[in-house]
Amino acid sequence: DTGVSQDPRHKITKRGQNVTFRCDPISEHNRLYWYRQTLGQGPEFLTYFQNEAQLEKSRLLSDRFSAERPKGSFSTLEIQRTEQGDSAMYLCASSLIGGLDEQFFGPGTRLTVL
Amino acid sequence: AQKVTQAQTEISVVEKEDVTLDCVYETRDTTYYLFWYKQPPSGELVFLIRRNSFDEQNEISGRYSWNFQKSTSSFNFTITASQVVDSAVYFCALSEAGGSYIPTFGRGTSLIVHP
Repeated sequence: DTGVSQDPRHKITKRGQNVTFRCDPISEHNRLYWYRQTLGQGPEFLTYFQNEAQLEKSRLLSDRFSAERPKGSFSTLEIQRTEQGDSAMYLCASSLIGGLDEQFFGPGTRLTVL
Repeated sequence: AQKVTQAQTEISVVEKEDVTLDCVYETRDTTYYLFWYKQPPSGELVFLIRRNSFDEQNEISGRYSWNFQKSTSSFNFTITASQVVDSAVYFCALSEAGGSYIPTFGRGTSLIVHP
């Protein structure tokens, strides 16, 4: 399987706990994006990496959110002190070069905060 | 600021009917890209098409066709002879040079094709 993979697929946590998600992009892709999608909405941009550099962060990305891509390959998204409003599908996507290219999406991680 | 509007929340058709999904966008850039993605019930978004702002030529791919009109800022998607497997949520997206080409997605149109 050479597509984008995400782990875990589902995560249920209690309010106040920390969670971490992992994304493995397509191997030759330089750009990696994180999005959040809630019911009835399209994906909302959170942040993106060009290789290992985090180039842009959305205002949606509060201080409780942090993302890394340490070696320019896989990426992690951590949410600290989760809140019920963080419940959503977290999508990862990768593209070959830049924003002109189509993005390949992973299956997402569905987070439920109780 | 870029914006994408998909006014149709849900469309329900019977198999073999033609259906058009509307997409209207707003941008101040002269260089931008428009996309359509499909999100089937499994959840994974699948790329369908990309069109740049300098190419208004319509495109056909099998039962799918796209009509790009800069004059009305629209990029509509038509499925001819719809099939049950076309049931999904379809998203239109816009990325512009001034926005680092980070795409903005519409809210999506849920298409339900009944047998």
